[in-house]
Amino acid sequence: GDSVTQMEGPVTLSEEAFLTINCTYTATGYPSLFWYVQYPGEGLQLLLKATKADDKGSNKGFEATYRKETTSFHLEKGSVQVSDSAVYFCALAGYTGKLIFGQGTTLQVKP
Amino acid sequence: NAGVTQTPKFRILKIGQSMTLQCTQDMNHNYMYWYRQDPGMGLKLIYYSVGAGITDKGEVPNGYNVSRSTTEDFPLRLELAAPSQTSVYFCASSYSPSGGASDTQYFGPGTRLTVL
Repeated sequence: GDSVTQMEGPVTLSEEAFLTINCTYTATGYPSLFWYVQYPGEGLQLLLKATKADDKGSNKGFEATYRKETTSFHLEKGSVQVSDSAVYFCALAGYTGKLIFGQGTTLQVKP
Repeated sequence: NAGVTQTPKFRILKIGQSMTLQCTQDMNHNYMYWYRQDPGMGLKLIYYSVGAGITDKGEVPNGYNVSRSTTEDFPLRLELAAPSQTSVYFCASSYSPSGGASDTQYFGPGTRLTVL
């Protein structure tokens, strides 16, 4: 069945460092891909999404490109801030239409 | 516009007790979902609904029941609470005019449930 694999956390970075969180997927057909973010004590909120191959989703300085050849959707940000500290979830919506989540990656940014 | 609201925020249950987790959305979304989030894990789909009067099982439905009598409300019922149901529960909704569920889902703040 469909699945999503994210890099293990936690990821600890200093402010202004470059961030990459890896995400790979297995799916039948052509899924839509998402990154959701969960700030402490809150529910998940959509960060960005891409619906077809080679699409780039972007929001708040974060980017991810839908790479069908490598079945990946890695999240990147050029310069992280303390306020980016959160748990990041990669997810896909495949032919069933339901969201399949990765296990989440905790990001901690230190001043 | 409150979005998706959930009550209660926290609850402790004894084994065998029952309770209902409430979820309401004011965005007129047709799809609604219940997930559970266990520590260090992603979210697992419990049940979902594509509209009033229609519900279906997700990945982990055992021990839970749902109903959808209105567009706005989607309560989750635990009949006989077990320690394995200790988790954080999230309700979500989305608007999917074409019938698929790949559109953006909006999440509530969650209910933290402990079963002792």
